[in-house]
This record gives sequence, structure tokens and C-alpha cells, in this order.
Amino acid sequence: EPEVTQTPSHQVTQMGQEVILRCVPISNHLYFYWYRQILGQKVEFLVSFYNNEISEKSEIFDDQFSVERPDGSNFTLKIRSTKLEDSAMYFCASSVDRGTEYFGPGTRLTVT
Amino acid sequence: GIQVEQSPPDLILQEGANSTLRCNFSDSVNNLQWFHQNPWGQLINLFYIPSGTKQNGRLSATTVATERYSLLYISSSQTTDSGVYFCAVVSGNTPLVFGKGTRLSVIA
Repeated sequence: EPEVTQTPSHQVTQMGQEVILRCVPISNHLYFYWYRQILGQKVEFLVSFYNNEISEKSEIFDDQFSVERPDGSNFTLKIRSTKLEDSAMYFCASSVDRGTEYFGPGTRLTVT
Repeated sequence: GIQVEQSPPDLILQEGANSTLRCNFSDSVNNLQWFHQNPWGQLINLFYIPSGTKQNGRLSATTVATERYSLLYISSSQTTDSGVYFCAVVSGNTPLVFGKGTRLSVIA
């Protein structure tokens, strides 16, 4: 069964550094999403991407965040200058339409 | 925006017991999903169920859209069922909004 994959599974970075989290959505899906989950809290929406542009973003998704689909398979989340409070699990998801979203296994980001 | 409330927040079960988890939402929805977050943090999609009833093995779910709630039933629980169960909904054209989850611990 096709699945969403994410790399790396765990990323440790120093405050102020840039990080890029990578995702490979399911191949025939058209909608792509990033969510984050701070430890012990609920999952929060960051951004959705359709037709090569951002379709919606939350208040969390400020200027330090950006997303890109650099080729036909990858979908990336970049955090320009990480802060301690960016430490969280980041999930990528994809869907064929606005129905079922399939989630990747997540990348645990630790900012020190 | 839409509010999603899950109950109970925590649940401890003896292996073999049955349980019902509840998800209430404050507005009409066109998508509702149940997820299991395992101890490694992975979110496993259990059901896509904006209305009606579905079953998958020992798990089943029912959504009564007109009354704005969904129930997840776990029968004959096993230790591997432990983790956090999330309900998440889409209302209109919004992204998925998650509840705070129910933390389930199944003890042998």
C-alpha cells in the first residue's frame, strides 16, 4: 500500500540554524499538508499546498516558514532560523482531494 | 472555528475489556477521521467516517453527523492498542482540526 514518507526521522539543530524537512507524498495525490505537534499537545495545522501554491496557512506559519515542491515527488518544509519553541514533531500529509488525509511517520525536530 | 472535544481524556483498561471513545464537534463536518498515535509518535489512520458506521477488525466507528458526534469502539483491547486516539474534522473548506485526544493505556 502506498504511503507518505518523511526524512529525517529525527533532526537535532542549534537555535538560529535553518532546517529542511522532507516528505514524499503518495504519488497520485494532489493536496499536501504540514502539521506539527508539540510534545504532549494536539496536532496543529501549519499549511496546505495545491497546484504548486499555498492554499491555506495558519497563524503559526509565519515568515520563518516556507514550503516547496522542488520536483514531482518531494514536498519540503523549511524553517529559516529555528527557535527553541519550534521543537516538535512535524507531520506531512497528502490527499487525493479534500477527503482522507494520509499522514507520514513524522520528523522529530529538537532545537537546542 | 470548529471546536472538537474528545472524552475521556485518559482511559486505563484491563486487557480484553471493551471501550468507547467519544468525539463531539461544534459544527457540520464534511470529513472526520480517527487516528491512533502509537508510542513512537506515528499517526495511523483508522477511519475516514463523516457519517455512518464502519468496522475494521476489533475497531468500529460511528458518526452521527446530525447530532455532531462520533464514537470509536475498541473491543477485546490488547496492549498494542495503547496510545493516543485523535479525532479530526474538516468543516467547509478548513484544514483538519484535531481534538486533544484520548490517552489509552491497556494493561496486561
